[in-house]
Amino acid sequence: GAGVSQSPSNKVTEKGKDVELRCDPISGHTALYWYRQSLGQGLEFLIYFQGNSAPDKSGLPSDRFSAERTGGSVSTLTIQRTQQEDSAVYLCASSLVGTPETQYFGPGTRLLVL
Amino acid sequence: ELKVEQNPLFLSMQEGKNYTIYCNYSTTSDRLYWYRQDPGKSLESLFVLLSNGAVKQEGRLMASLDTKARLSTLHITAAVHDLSATYFCAVVATQGGSEKLVFGKGTKLTVNP
Repeated sequence: GAGVSQSPSNKVTEKGKDVELRCDPISGHTALYWYRQSLGQGLEFLIYFQGNSAPDKSGLPSDRFSAERTGGSVSTLTIQRTQQEDSAVYLCASSLVGTPETQYFGPGTRLLVL
Repeated sequence: ELKVEQNPLFLSMQEGKNYTIYCNYSTTSDRLYWYRQDPGKSLESLFVLLSNGAVKQEGRLMASLDTKARLSTLHITAAVHDLSATYFCAVVATQGGSEKLVFGKGTKLTVNP
């Protein structure tokens, strides 16, 4: 079946511009996660959505970052007034609820802020 | 705060050799995952380990979990070039109904002919 998809696959933007990154989770997966992977680094948790519950935003690095999930499916991560340090690969993952459930990752969006 | 440490971070080995990657974590968790990442690609799930003493094997890779020591190992047997990739361990952190994966920094494995 179809996996997690993300768009765009690559994004180059100028410092100060806003960007929107999209994630389509696996159909039926109620949990959705965003992570960031900076060059040569591990993965950093950003935000977690589970059903209709309030999202866990504890990993968002600043108030320039926000995310929403419409209709319990597609999610958009928005970065306002991008900075060069925002350059990274942004990965989305989804899973079913309940243990033990593997998180399935999308291909990522490679963001470069010039 | 849950911390996950992997070592080594870089590993260069010859085909046919054996080696072990270690993953230590700082607080109790009910799940540990191993993922593989090829250059420019996303993460591929390899194993999920749920209980103390759990051992899982797939091909030349075997993962184990010691929850008392808060240690997982990924053992590579008779390495082949196709195993070259970065391997991440990740531990589930649960707080207030929310859960997230906390990742180690990854082990970049290079298998040389």
